[in-house]
Formats: sequence, structure tokens, C-alpha cells
Amino acid sequence: NAGVTQTPKFRILKIGQSMTLQCAQDMNHNYMYWYRQDPGMGLKLIYYSVGAGITDKGEVPNGYNVSRSTTEDFPLRLELAAPSQTSVYFCASSYSGQGGSQPQHFGDGTRLSIL
Amino acid sequence: DQQVKQNSPSLSVQEGRISILNCDYTNSMFDYFLWYKKYPAEGPTFLISISSIKDKNEDGRFTVFLNKSAKHLSLHIVPSQPGDSAVYFCAASRNTNAGKSTFGDGTTLTVKP
Repeated sequence: NAGVTQTPKFRILKIGQSMTLQCAQDMNHNYMYWYRQDPGMGLKLIYYSVGAGITDKGEVPNGYNVSRSTTEDFPLRLELAAPSQTSVYFCASSYSGQGGSQPQHFGDGTRLSIL
Repeated sequence: DQQVKQNSPSLSVQEGRISILNCDYTNSMFDYFLWYKKYPAEGPTFLISISSIKDKNEDGRFTVFLNKSAKHLSLHIVPSQPGDSAVYFCAASRNTNAGKSTFGDGTTLTVKP
């Protein structure tokens, strides 16, 4: 059981380039999330999805886009990369039952540097 | 406005002793509080949670205490082991909020042999 899989693990981008961070889960979870973690800080929510075809903005959505065409996949798109987007990105998923009590399952992250 | 705060960036304890990690929150509408543990180069993993209607939840060496009047919770690890050395995140969520959690900045625990 793979859980939440993120690819790539590391990436270096030049300013202005674009890329897609991939996230897939095999737990049939309806809820999925994208976070970024800056050094010494907690996790900031970028976007989230409550099911296929439904996405919404989190706390720090500027400069990012998402899509959710299937239950399993939740890619995060960076357009026109900027140095401020240098961070570690985590994808997570959770079961939708019983609301806030459900723990989130995280991937191992993508470490992204914008130079 | 940071709704979940972990005021101690780091904590160092001796193996076998108790580790106490603290977390404060400002939003009285939170329904659940969760603790996650994170090792370097890995994603956070769920450790233990507590409902806002309870004041204590225990799972093996880990116990979480909730003081609603003070808007404060703490994670106790007894006895502490070197393998417990990690970053611990406190998170809070609401039932009506699509499972979204608000995270603190984390506390790095070091357990010395």
C-alpha cells in the first residue's frame, strides 16, 4: 500500500519556468491538500479538494493552480516560478467521514528551489 | 494572526525522562486537535488526537491533555526514547471545514541517550 506518492522529490527551476508537482493516493480518500513548508515554519495550505472536480483556495494560493480530474490524482501547477516559491511542498489526503477528526496522510514532499 | 502557536522551537530531554510539548490556540471553534511527528526528508505522520469535548487522550507512551479554558494543549511522551527525536506539529481542525487543519510552526524534540 503506497499511500500518498509525490514526484519529483527534488527539482531546481529557473525564474519564470513552469512545472507540475504530481501527487497520487491509493486510499480512495475524497479530501486532498497541498501545503508548503518554509524553513522553521509550519505547513501553509495552498489548495485543497473535497472530491473529483472540486477545488478551492487555501491560505496561500497565489502563483499556483490545481486540478482534480480523478479521486486519486491532485497535481499542483506552478506558473512563472519566483524565488519566493522556493520551499518544500507536501501533498496530503484524508477520509471525508467525521470531518475534522480524520488525520491527514502525507507524502514525503517535493523540495523545490527557484534560482 | 496565527491561530495555532507552538512557542518553543526546540526541546532537549534525556532518554527515559518525560517530554512535554506545548501548543496554544486562539479559535474556540476548533473541534479536534492533532499531533503529527516529522522526521527529516519525510512527510508528517499522525501521532495522536483529541476531541474538544475531552480533556485527555492516551495511546501507549503518548498522552495529550486539553485545557479548553486556557486554550492550551500539551503532548506528554513517557518515557522518551532517542527514536522520538523529530519535529512535532500541533494542528487544529473543525468538523465543518472539509478536514482542513491549521498547523503550528513545530517543536524540534531531541532525546539524548
